[in-house]
Amino acid sequence: EAGVTQFPSHSVIEKGQTVTLRCDPISGHDNLYWYRRVMGKEIKFLLHFVKESKQDESGMPNNRFLAERTGGTYSTLKVQPAELEDSGVYFCASSQVGGPPTDTQYFGPGTRLTVL
Amino acid sequence: DAKTTQPNSMESNEEEPVHLPCNHSTISGTDYIHWYRQLPSQGPEYVIHGLTSNVNNRMASLAIAEDRKSSTLILHRATLRDAAVYYCILRDYGGSQGNLIFGKGTKLSVKP
Repeated sequence: EAGVTQFPSHSVIEKGQTVTLRCDPISGHDNLYWYRRVMGKEIKFLLHFVKESKQDESGMPNNRFLAERTGGTYSTLKVQPAELEDSGVYFCASSQVGGPPTDTQYFGPGTRLTVL
Repeated sequence: DAKTTQPNSMESNEEEPVHLPCNHSTISGTDYIHWYRQLPSQGPEYVIHGLTSNVNNRMASLAIAEDRKSSTLILHRATLRDAAVYYCILRDYGGSQGNLIFGKGTKLSVKP
């Protein structure tokens, strides 16, 4: 079974540009999460989809970040315009709906974003 | 903020057991104790979880104190591949929040 995949693995952009990160969850996983780690900090939650609906977006840093999950399958996270402080590693995770252990989160390898 | 406290780093020798401690003195009755680890250049991966009783799986064992205010992740025979950052995370199933709250974790080094 394929795991969570993320694209691209690495992106280098200039300040002010737009970048779109993509996450393909494990097939059949209704829960999809975005997290990020910025330099020297802990991994922080950004938002949570259940199917195509945003269940919790309390971790989104500001309105320059837009996440979508059309059709309840893959998700995109767009940063527009990118700022220097957005540099970091963005992780996506997916899980089934339910209690433990059904809702174990499976993480992708991450996208390393560098804003110059 | 993370509700757990872990040592910043630990060292182990290959093929020896490793005990990774975690304090969670404010744990609530609906909190499960989860452990994830992050290998270098990879995303976090699930290791084990428990509520009250000790748990074993193919990766590790989880020993939970009787008062649930602390727990210990046990790797029975450390390998070089076990070198990672280990995160102890409380997940509250009493509410609707599903996200994981990561702390700094414990960086485990394994020496050959």
